[in-house]
Amino acid sequence: DIQMTQSPSSLSASVGDRVTITCRASQSISSYLNWYQQKPGKAPKFLIYGASSLQSGVPSRFSGSGSGTLFTLTISSLQPEDFATYYCQPSYSTPHTFGQGTKLEIK
Amino acid sequence: QVQLQESGPGLVKPSETLSLTCTVSGGSIRSYHWSWIRQPPGKGLEWIGYIHHSGSSNYNPSLKSRVTISLDTSKNQFSLKLSSVTAADTAVYYCAKGRDGFDPWGQGTLVTVSS
Repeated sequence: DIQMTQSPSSLSASVGDRVTITCRASQSISSYLNWYQQKPGKAPKFLIYGASSLQSGVPSRFSGSGSGTLFTLTISSLQPEDFATYYCQPSYSTPHTFGQGTKLEIK
Repeated sequence: QVQLQESGPGLVKPSETLSLTCTVSGGSIRSYHWSWIRQPPGKGLEWIGYIHHSGSSNYNPSLKSRVTISLDTSKNQFSLKLSSVTAADTAVYYCAKGRDGFDPWGQGTLVTVSS
């Protein structure tokens, strides 16, 4: 099974900051990596697929990059609505094991 | 656009079978793959499995011996059955469209396993 390790597990930042979240896979998954955003009490929202392609309707301040085993999610200028928990998920093979999540909090 | 809604009992006794249904609206279940994912309170996401409209399915090996996902095309629904539940199965259960990427998701339903 492919294991995903996200870092950091939590992050405090201010509105307007640029933040980066990292996801590392236990083996190469090419570009088969998705990102989700989850707000408290809500279902996750699909943000990025194929490591770097934005899902329709996702603001352009979100970007993803990486391939192989190392991936990043970057938010270029944090907005109040971006404070949430972010999960990575490999789409390379089953079982689909999500990263443990990164909680982005307001500083 | 496609919308999903989970339904089923919110309380299940230990050793019994958890049964949930996901109703799909705005699209036909006769296309795509359909998945179940769960999230224990305060924890991360766990993929349970998916079913294709052809009937083929794929389950998480950690749950495979206890899980069945099925389709009811006449009702545009798909279902999850998880047998021999314990307190560790307490979670919010989500249904979602997709096989390798999940979008959209239902709102989720909390299932508590307790006597």
